[in-house]
Amino acid sequence: RKEVEQDPGPFNVPEGATVAFNCTYSNSASQSFFWYRQDCRKEPKLLMSVYSSGNEDGRFTAQLNRASQYISLLIRDSKLSDSATYLCVVDNYGQNFVFGPGTRLSVLP
Amino acid sequence: NAGVTQTPKFRVLKTGQSMTLLCAQDMNHEYMYWYRQDPGMGLRLIHYSVGEGTTAKGEVPDGYNVSRLKKQNFLLGLESAAPSQTSVYFCASSLRPTIAGKSADTQYFGPGTRLTVL
Repeated sequence: RKEVEQDPGPFNVPEGATVAFNCTYSNSASQSFFWYRQDCRKEPKLLMSVYSSGNEDGRFTAQLNRASQYISLLIRDSKLSDSATYLCVVDNYGQNFVFGPGTRLSVLP
Repeated sequence: NAGVTQTPKFRVLKTGQSMTLLCAQDMNHEYMYWYRQDPGMGLRLIHYSVGEGTTAKGEVPDGYNVSRLKKQNFLLGLESAAPSQTSVYFCASSLRPTIAGKSADTQYFGPGTRLTVL
């Protein structure tokens, strides 16, 4: 079983739609969780950290379920500019980070 | 504030040649990382460092060496390049991934180096 798993997609959604991504992780000792965004041929950039209580940043909402070991990202009112690959990231015993393979999102006009 | 920089941005090597990729950060971060990214594989950790003078192996360390002689620099070396090392290489830096068992800071990435080995 891979340490961090994501549905690779692609998710093709119309502008204005709501879309949700899930990510599962295998290391129950992990404490730090993040969603990154990566545009084509660019470096990953932090979208948001994921806290136990859940957190929201504008149109983006992240949730953490420790019991089931999954993380979710909800994007409301999708924009064309949201088209990118979304990477789930989890710490590995506090020493480094493990990345999921990414979920590709295409927002269509 | 430059953040994380990488040199070179592009490079083409022939099989068997050697090269060094340089990563520099100006955020006084303790931790630094080298990843490679291949289509459909996501980012895979090659080597990382938890402080000046330290290095550790990641998921895919074979064929690579690293050095962290100065806190702000992390070098990745390919002694004898192979076509399988054709990839995009990203460097990143961070504070501690966790502090006292709680989530700490995240990573900041450089713009990447596109390496082709013929």
